Amino acid sequence: ELKVEQNPLFLSMQEGKNYTIYCNYSTTSDRLYWYRQDPGKSLESLFVLLSNGAVKQEGRLMASLDTKARLSTLHITAAVHDLSATYFCAVGTGANSKLTFGKGITLSVRP
Amino acid sequence: DVKVTQSSRYLVKRTGEKVFLECVQDMDHENMFWYRQDPGLGLRLIYFSYDVKMKEKGDIPEGYSVSREKKERFSLILESASTNQTSMYLCASSLQDEKLFFGSGTQLSVL
Repeated sequence: ELKVEQNPLFLSMQEGKNYTIYCNYSTTSDRLYWYRQDPGKSLESLFVLLSNGAVKQEGRLMASLDTKARLSTLHITAAVHDLSATYFCAVGTGANSKLTFGKGITLSVRP
Repeated sequence: DVKVTQSSRYLVKRTGEKVFLECVQDMDHENMFWYRQDPGLGLRLIYFSYDVKMKEKGDIPEGYSVSREKKERFSLILESASTNQTSMYLCASSLQDEKLFFGSGTQLSVL
């Protein structure tokens, strides 16, 4: 059974500082997705990582995938309040886009 | 603009009622999914469908059934609602092995 673990589950970040959050998964996969969820809202796709060594960047967020270590990282550069949200990683296995989600990491940026 | 529409944002039902949650997508996606989201548990897959009239159980199918009579519509059915089915229900759709697009969610309360 595929397990997806995210840590930490909650992170209080100071504005302007850099942080990294992690997503580990237990079985072989070459598809990993990052989603963002604002309070009371649905999930919005951030990144799709489809191969070992894949790196994607958008604004202050950069995601990477190491399939050998079964690890994805989401790096935050110079945190700002707008980044406060819950971030989920999801791992694809088998056919038909079936995804297993982690429990999510809630980020809170303080002044 | 891509769209996944869930019929109700909030729903209150009584124990034992039969409940229908409807989801429609306008992107001609083959795959459709029903997840439930609970605090501290993340998203858990209930059922998914990769074609009309096809369905597969996810990780927590007990107490639920689904129907996909048309490509654009995927319904989740609670045959006899129970209080432990109080949750946020999220519908999603995708192309093969592509990212998921989520609806805005239905917050179901079973009293």
